[in-house]
Amino acid sequence: GQQVMQIPQYQHVQEGEDFTTYCNSSTTLSNIQWYKQRPGGHPVFLIQLVKSGEVKKQKRLTFQFGEAKKNSSLHITATQTTDVGTYFCAGLALVFGKGTRLSVIA
Amino acid sequence: DVKVTQSSRYLVKRTGEKVFLECVQDMDHENMFWYRQDPGLGLRLIYFSYDVKMKEKGDIPEGYSVSREKKERFSLILESASTNQTSMYLCASSFMTSGSLSYNEQFFGPGTRLTVL
Repeated sequence: GQQVMQIPQYQHVQEGEDFTTYCNSSTTLSNIQWYKQRPGGHPVFLIQLVKSGEVKKQKRLTFQFGEAKKNSSLHITATQTTDVGTYFCAGLALVFGKGTRLSVIA
Repeated sequence: DVKVTQSSRYLVKRTGEKVFLECVQDMDHENMFWYRQDPGLGLRLIYFSYDVKMKEKGDIPEGYSVSREKKERFSLILESASTNQTSMYLCASSFMTSGSLSYNEQFFGPGTRLTVL
């Protein structure tokens, strides 16, 4: 079945450093979604990408969908302590990646 | 704002008990989902429903059943709870368009942390 691999599993950064998480699918995706889960909270939808090569920005967050629609990335510029949490991607058939847990050291 | 509520935040049950987890959404969403979340394993889909009385198995349906008698309510049932079902259970809902499940954002409830002793 479809698998969605997400790396890294953990990332510790100093406040102000950049952060990137990657999502790779074993099959071509029609779309991909990204969610953020704060510690003790529930996943919250961030964005959906649909088009090949699509790039979307939300303030310091940049989301990309690969040309082959098999991979995606989330990049955060100049991390802040409010960025702490686990970031999940989700592809077809409601398959979620295992998430990347981001810690930000002030 | 979309609101998805779950009946309990924390629940402790004994092995062999029948457990009901309830989820209610107030946005008239067609789709509803049950996931479990375990450390290192991410979110795994147990069951989903795209309409009243309709249900589809997810990746890990064994040991679970579901019920959707009303559009706004989706129940997860553990017929005979076991210790390996200790987990965080998350309910979610979404609109459905064009018969596809994968095109709309999901709204999650706060979760129920179930402990089976």
